[in-house]
Amino acid sequence: QVRLDQWGAGVLKPSETLSLNCAVYGGSFSGYYWTWIRQPPGKGLEWIGEINHSGSTNYSPSLKSRLTISVDTSKNQFSLQLSSVTAADTAVYHCARRVDYNNSIDSWGQGTLVTVSS
Amino acid sequence: DIVMTQTPLSSPVTLGQPASISCRSSQGLVHSDGNTYLSWLQQRPGQPPRLLIYKISDRFSGVPDRFSGSGAGTDFTLEISRVEAEDVAVYYCMQGSQFPYTFGQGTRLEI
Repeated sequence: QVRLDQWGAGVLKPSETLSLNCAVYGGSFSGYYWTWIRQPPGKGLEWIGEINHSGSTNYSPSLKSRLTISVDTSKNQFSLQLSSVTAADTAVYHCARRVDYNNSIDSWGQGTLVTVSS
Repeated sequence: DIVMTQTPLSSPVTLGQPASISCRSSQGLVHSDGNTYLSWLQQRPGQPPRLLIYKISDRFSGVPDRFSGSGAGTDFTLEISRVEAEDVAVYYCMQGSQFPYTFGQGTRLEI
């Protein structure tokens, strides 16, 4: 059974860089796309982007200019960096696993609330 | 981006009775590989989403068989044959056929 544990700073000021990490335990690290999804408080889900074990990425066009997703296969970890944050970036950020052969998100981290406030 | 529109946004249900949620995409979801990557997720309060259905109608491991998915093209449906108390949640459809992947607004199932 795969487990995704995530961590990172929960409070940021406008213009700072959001940085989150996600460690994967159990199961294979290759053969999947490792994904970030966010959810503003009380609202729906927004796909941010993903990376596979080889470092191949897919990004949301609306965030691409501020977004970096990276992977460390030696630690089975992947990371999210979102620069120049504003209050609109306040959300619960989830790391998750996408299954390549059916394009579904089948495993999720617990989520990290990131609040952007001056 | 493909827009996913769910109806209703809120649905009062009765325990033991069926429930149905619709999801419509702004364009067809058939991928270039011939598959349609439409999935359904359940999010209970305070928890991350959980995968229920993938590729329109395939039930994920451990999901009760009272949950079923159907549809084609741009119209898809999640059905619960007999609602149980633990089904109180928000349900999302998600398309994985074209980047960026997108979700419906969510449907809140209320007893």
